Amino acid sequence: LAKTTQPISMDSYEGQEVNITCSHNNIATNDYITWYQQFPSQGPRFIIQGYKTKVTNEVASLFIPADRKSSTLSLPRVSLSDTAVYYCLVGRVGDSSYKLIFGSGTRLLVRP
Amino acid sequence: ETGVTQSPTHLIKTRGQQVTLRCSSQSGHNTVSWYQQALGQGPQFIFQYYREEENGRGNFPPRFSGLQFPNYSSELNVNALELDDSALYLCASSPRGGGENTGELFFGEGSRLTVL
Repeated sequence: LAKTTQPISMDSYEGQEVNITCSHNNIATNDYITWYQQFPSQGPRFIIQGYKTKVTNEVASLFIPADRKSSTLSLPRVSLSDTAVYYCLVGRVGDSSYKLIFGSGTRLLVRP
Repeated sequence: ETGVTQSPTHLIKTRGQQVTLRCSSQSGHNTVSWYQQALGQGPQFIFQYYREEENGRGNFPPRFSGLQFPNYSSELNVNALELDDSALYLCASSPRGGGENTGELFFGEGSRLTVL
């Protein structure tokens, strides 16, 4: 299972775009990249998933370069409610042995 | 709202006691995973059940055990509680497991266990 490395914390202000980068140098060919968000005292919530290039949904965008050794979660125009911990995970979707393994995540603080 | 409910939400036990935590997954979800989350850390994978069979286990001792029932609800049992077992225990379900898993889990809000 590929390990991931993320910044421990980030600060931002309301209305700004936030980019959180995750390194996964040992990502395997069949691994997907998945991001989760967690608020205090709640379970993590799926945000977005991708394999390569760019994926966008109503919440975020995920940028994956050609070598796939890193990925960037982009949150447009953050608000105070985006203050949370963000986790980057990699694993082989569609493989019965794939289990979500969380790291320590990135604590994002959005200030007024 | 993920449709995954856990009980109890909070409980206090003493060292050496046993605890059972329960999870009701979304209707039709055949896969349930359990995670332990200590304060300030990411969730740690305990084990997963797929169609009532254990389908993978993390680095937890045998005193952590589980069950999945025919309706796909699940229990986590912890025997001989230790102080370090104090944590938020999260249950997550998925509509697909085995070779169809998508990497998307739906988490409940957890059961906070305090061991004194």
